Amino acid sequence: AQSVTQPDIHITVSEGASLELRCNYSYGATPYLFWYVQSPGQGLQLLLKYFSGDTLVQGIKGFEAEFKRSQSSFNLRKPSVHWSDAAEYFCAVAFVGNSGYALNFGKGTSLLVTP
Amino acid sequence: DTGVSQDPRHKITKRGQNVTFRCDPISEHNRLYWYRQTLGQGPEFLTYFQNEAQLEKSRLLSDRFSAERPKGSFSTLEIQRTEQGDSAMYLCASSFASGYEQYFGPGTRLTVT
Repeated sequence: AQSVTQPDIHITVSEGASLELRCNYSYGATPYLFWYVQSPGQGLQLLLKYFSGDTLVQGIKGFEAEFKRSQSSFNLRKPSVHWSDAAEYFCAVAFVGNSGYALNFGKGTSLLVTP
Repeated sequence: DTGVSQDPRHKITKRGQNVTFRCDPISEHNRLYWYRQTLGQGPEFLTYFQNEAQLEKSRLLSDRFSAERPKGSFSTLEIQRTEQGDSAMYLCASSFASGYEQYFGPGTRLTVT
């Protein structure tokens, strides 16, 4: 069965420090991978995506992610975190088939940024 | 382009009542998706439309739930005889038929008392 795992439920980072959020997937074919961010009470905003090609992808707000096929991972990184980055982060995988690329989400990682 | 909009943003209802939510997708988008998000979880797929055709429904979409997209533009999601377990954020997203990127609305938060 397809699944997306975000091992860290909560992460606390000091402002200005680097960040890495982990995402692992179980999927039978080459996945389409996404990271979304959700601020409290809001919908989801797309940070970045990977479909094919260069395995290091750049997104908005200074985020990047690296696809590692051998590890079935798509970890999100940011070199220097800002207080405004505090939010919930979701990794998602699109499964191609009858569900028209419907997204399968992980349970999310809540990021707290301390001064 | 104003993005995906959803109405209402919040709905409080008593158990057993019917509720209806509306989603207006990005105008050029052919596909429209509904997801449900409960506290502490990621969104879960409910159903999707391509134009006016409902092409897939998840097992989460019980027979109390119905969705429509009558003219291939806006969509409605109706829940009949609401239960406390229906309390959740209901998210709508849209995309091009040829694309994989989905753009989400702000969601409708449903509370069933």
